[in-house]
Amino acid sequence: AQSVSQHNHHVILSEAASLELGCNYSYGGTVNLFWYVQYPGQHLQLLLKYFSGDPLVKGIKGFEAEFIKSKFSFNLRKPSVQWSDTAEYFCAVLYGGSQGNLIFGKGTKLSVKP
Amino acid sequence: NAGVTQTPKFQVLKTGQSMTLQCAQDMNHNSMYWYRQDPGMGLRLIYYSASEGTTDKGEVPNGYNVSRLNKREFSLRLESAAPSQTSVYFCASSATSITNEKLFFGSGTQLSVL
Repeated sequence: AQSVSQHNHHVILSEAASLELGCNYSYGGTVNLFWYVQYPGQHLQLLLKYFSGDPLVKGIKGFEAEFIKSKFSFNLRKPSVQWSDTAEYFCAVLYGGSQGNLIFGKGTKLSVKP
Repeated sequence: NAGVTQTPKFQVLKTGQSMTLQCAQDMNHNSMYWYRQDPGMGLRLIYYSASEGTTDKGEVPNGYNVSRLNKREFSLRLESAAPSQTSVYFCASSATSITNEKLFFGSGTQLSVL
């Protein structure tokens, strides 16, 4: 079955620390990859997406993600986190031909200490 | 810009009661979705509508029905609510259901079934 795994349930960092959140997906051919963010009390927003081309994707607020096809991974990174990055982060995968069935990981809660 | 509007924001039901969650988008999107979000489970797709006049089951459709009333509106109905349906429900839309279109989410409906 198609699935998305996020390795960390809860990550706690101090401001200015570097962030890397893991995301792996099960093999399924062509994929489109997304990271969504949910700030406290808000709905989900797209952070960045990959569908083709340069495997290093840059998103909003200084986030980036790297698609490594051989590892079925799409890890999210940020060199220096801020308190305002406290949120829950969801990796999502759209498998080719799935007609809209976007599969989400279980989410990683990031807490940034000021 | 209204985007995706969901009503109600909060609802408490007794087991066995029925209710309909309403969703409307004003972006002329073809595709609409209903997700539920549970702690530690991420988002799971209940039903989606790739285009007006079509609906398809997602990962967790049991206990729900949907209606794509027109291009703007996509409702989710619980015929006989159960405590297992206590969750936060998100409606989303996208221009199409294919590949790289990002989802726009509503603000969610917090449903408690007693």
